[in-house]
Formats: sequence, C-alpha cells, structure tokens
Amino acid sequence: NAGVMQNPRHLVRRRGQEARLRCSPMKGHSHVYWYRQLPEEGLKFMVYLQKENIIDESGMPKERFSAEFPKEGPSILRIQQVVRGDSAAYFCASSPRRQENTEAFFGQGTRLTVV
Amino acid sequence: KQEVTQIPAALSVPEGENLVLNCSFTDSAIYNLQWFRQDPGKGLTSLLLIQSSQREQTSGRLNASLDKSSGRSTLYIAASQPGDSATYLCAVNLSGSARQLTFGSGTQLTVLP
Repeated sequence: NAGVMQNPRHLVRRRGQEARLRCSPMKGHSHVYWYRQLPEEGLKFMVYLQKENIIDESGMPKERFSAEFPKEGPSILRIQQVVRGDSAAYFCASSPRRQENTEAFFGQGTRLTVV
Repeated sequence: KQEVTQIPAALSVPEGENLVLNCSFTDSAIYNLQWFRQDPGKGLTSLLLIQSSQREQTSGRLNASLDKSSGRSTLYIAASQPGDSATYLCAVNLSGSARQLTFGSGTQLTVLP
C-alpha cells in the first residue's frame, strides 16, 4: 500500500507563473488535507477536501490559491501568479475519514521555489 | 484559538542519553495529539497518536504522554541514537472543528555520536 504521493518533489517557478501541486492519497482514503510550511515556521493548515467537495478552506489565502479533489485523479493545489512569498514546502495528508479520530499520513511534500 | 508550543526549540545531547521533549496547547478540548518526526528536506513521519481518552502511548524507545487538563504532552526518547536526529513536531486535533491539525514549531534534536 503506497503512502501519500506528492509530485513534483521540487518545483521552481518564476514570479507570475502558475504552480500546480499534486497529491494522491493513500489507497482507501477519501479525505485530503493541504498544509504549508514556510521557512523557519511550523506547518499551517490550508484546506480540507473530500472527493469533489471543499469542506474547509479557512486556511487558504483568499486570492491566487485554489484546490480541488476530483472524482478521478489526484488532488490539485493551484497557485496562480506566484510571488516570492509563496516559496515554501507544501504537504498533503490523507485519512480514511474525518481527521478527528484517525492518524494523519503525510506525503513527502513539494518544495516550491519562486525566483 | 488553539496555540501549540514546543520547548525547547533545539536540543543537543550525547548518544545514549534519555531525553524529554515538551509540547503544550492552550485549548484542552482536543480529540487527539500526534507526534511526528521530520528529517531535513523530507516529509513527516507519524510516531505516536494519543487519543484524548488515553494518557500515554509507547512504540519502541518512544513514549508519549498526554495530560489534557493541563494542556501538556511529552515525548520521551530512551537511549538516544544519532539516527534520532531530526525535528520533532507535535500536533493537536481540536474537537469541534476537528478537521485540521494545529502544529507546534518543533524541537530540533541533535544526538551526538
């Protein structure tokens, strides 16, 4: 059973470009969470999704950021018109149900560098 | 708003020493608390999960305790090894919202050979 798979592992974008980060949850997991880790800071929650639904996006910046988890395929975190401050490690976690009573499993992360 | 604090921010110990990492949280209404390990440039590896009804969990040389009423958890590492060097993160899952983990900033542990 493969773990949470994120790709790419490293992504370099110029300011103004778009970044697309992908997350495939563990087999049998239908809940996906995205977290961001800024340099020298802890992980911060961004968004919680189930298949075809955004459940909680309270941690997402209001502009330029969007997330989806389609019926088929991986979850996508999309950042439009990237700026230097978007440089961070973006982690995806999955669980078989709501995270309150289950262990969260994290992917290896995507390290975004905006130049 | 839940806040999670980890002390110390960094710790360096000689190999073989037993050590304790501390985590405190401001809101005691939690579902569970999870300890993770993060190696440089890598993802998070789950170490131990303690449900709110539990007081401790053990896995090998690791023991995590939870005192919900005082808002504290400790991670005890016995007979530390250089391979234990990493950043240790604690995260709480808050009741009610319960859809996200709130993380501490971590303790960076170095075990010297």
